[in-house]
Amino acid sequence: AAGVIQSPRHLIKEKRETATLKCYPIPRHDTVYWYQQGPGQDPQFLISFYEKMQSDKGSIPDRFSAQQFSDYHSELNMSSLELGDSALYFCASSLEGQGTGELFFGEGSRLTVL
Amino acid sequence: GENVEQHPSTLSVQEGDSAVIKCTYSDSASNYFPWYKQELGKRPQLIIDIRSNVGEKKDQRIAVTLNKTAKHFSLHITETQPEDSAVYFCAATRALNSGGGADGLTFGKGTHLIIQP
Repeated sequence: AAGVIQSPRHLIKEKRETATLKCYPIPRHDTVYWYQQGPGQDPQFLISFYEKMQSDKGSIPDRFSAQQFSDYHSELNMSSLELGDSALYFCASSLEGQGTGELFFGEGSRLTVL
Repeated sequence: GENVEQHPSTLSVQEGDSAVIKCTYSDSASNYFPWYKQELGKRPQLIIDIRSNVGEKKDQRIAVTLNKTAKHFSLHITETQPEDSAVYFCAATRALNSGGGADGLTFGKGTHLIIQP
C-alpha cells in the first residue's frame, strides 16, 4: 500500500540558509500534518492543512511557512535556519472526511543545521 | 491548549512480564487518544488507539483504557518480548470535530520501555 512520502530524507544546511521539505500524502487523504522532533524529544505539532486550507497551528516559528497544493502535497519552508532547527521533521496524513483521526506518518526528513 | 503528561519516562521490565504506561490530558474536548511506538531514528507507528466513546480496547497483547472523568488513559502490554523495547508515546487531540478540519496531536514526553531478557 502507498505510504506518506517525504523528501529529501536528509538535508544539511548552514545557519541562516533556507530549506524546503516536501510531503506527498497517501492517495485520497485530505489532511496533512507537520511535526518537528528534536533529539530525545516528543514530536511537536507545527501545522496542519485540511482540503488545502490551514486547519490548525501549533508551535511553528514565524520563520517557517507551509502550504498544501492542489494535488494535496505539502511543502514546509524554513528560512533563517538556526542550530536549534536541527531535527527530524515528520509529515503525516489522514482522511478527515472519515473522521477516524488516524494519522499515517512518513519516514521523516532529517535536517542538520551547521 | 492540550497538555499531555506521561509516566514513567523509563520503564524496565523482565521479558514475559507486563508493562503499564500512564497518561493524563487536560482538554476535556479531546476525543481521540492514540499510542505510538517509535524506534530510534524511525517514524512513530500507531499501535493502538481509543476514542472517547469507548472505555477499553484490546488488540492481542496490547490494551488501552480510558477514564474520561479523570482524564487519563493507560497502555498495557502483556507477555512482553524483546522486540517491544522502544519509546512509546501517548497523544491526545480533538480529531473528531464536527466541523471537519484537522487538529494536531499533542504528544506526551515518551516512555523508554526496556525489556530485560
